Amino acid sequence: ETGVTQTPRHLVMGMTNKKSLKCEQHLGHNAMYWYKQSAKKPLELMFVYSLEERVENNSVPSRFSPECPNSSHLFLHLHTLQPEDSALYLCASSQEAHWVAGGRPQYFGPGTRLLVL
Amino acid sequence: QKEVEQNSGPLSVPEGAIASLNCTYSDRGSQSFFWYRQYSGKSPELIMSIYSNGDKEDGRFTAQLNKASQYVSLLIRDSQPSDSATYLCAVYGGSQGNLIFGKGTKLSVKP
Repeated sequence: ETGVTQTPRHLVMGMTNKKSLKCEQHLGHNAMYWYKQSAKKPLELMFVYSLEERVENNSVPSRFSPECPNSSHLFLHLHTLQPEDSALYLCASSQEAHWVAGGRPQYFGPGTRLLVL
Repeated sequence: QKEVEQNSGPLSVPEGAIASLNCTYSDRGSQSFFWYRQYSGKSPELIMSIYSNGDKEDGRFTAQLNKASQYVSLLIRDSQPSDSATYLCAVYGGSQGNLIFGKGTKLSVKP
């Protein structure tokens, strides 16, 4: 595996379900990110982890719960989601977290297309 | 509120022409600028980074940055149908420090 991988690629869940999204980066990066991409809207940053420590939480509802057990893996735990949470969820990584040295480019995984019924 | 503005398009150009994509940003303290290409149903792919005023060329792509005008652009020379995608401009805010994305410009290259 190379780059950033995400599983599953597609997910359909009911509002009462609990599911988890997984992301793994093979780039030796120290920072990882979760983004949400909805139609007609720009990418929305959800969470930032730097060296396994959460450093950013952009007012995301508590029904989204991130976990970063090490610098290569990132999870997004989902529970009691709403239909408006249906979107493409993207994981990204960068060499360092964004505030270091003016910002580093981020590399994205393929995303998980989530549909909440 | 830090903003990145792009014309949503679609921008339609004939094959072989130069496609010009523009982006303006509101945070004068922004330091780093990126262009991503996103094919329909796929994730964003980094194609250019630019950090200082002027032009940066990479193959058929040229990024142009003018910090005084708070403007960054992407030129695609000899456009190909395979360049048809949405192009996202992303800017690192100065004080806020987050990577802010524009909504993207949809480019269509007609054979």
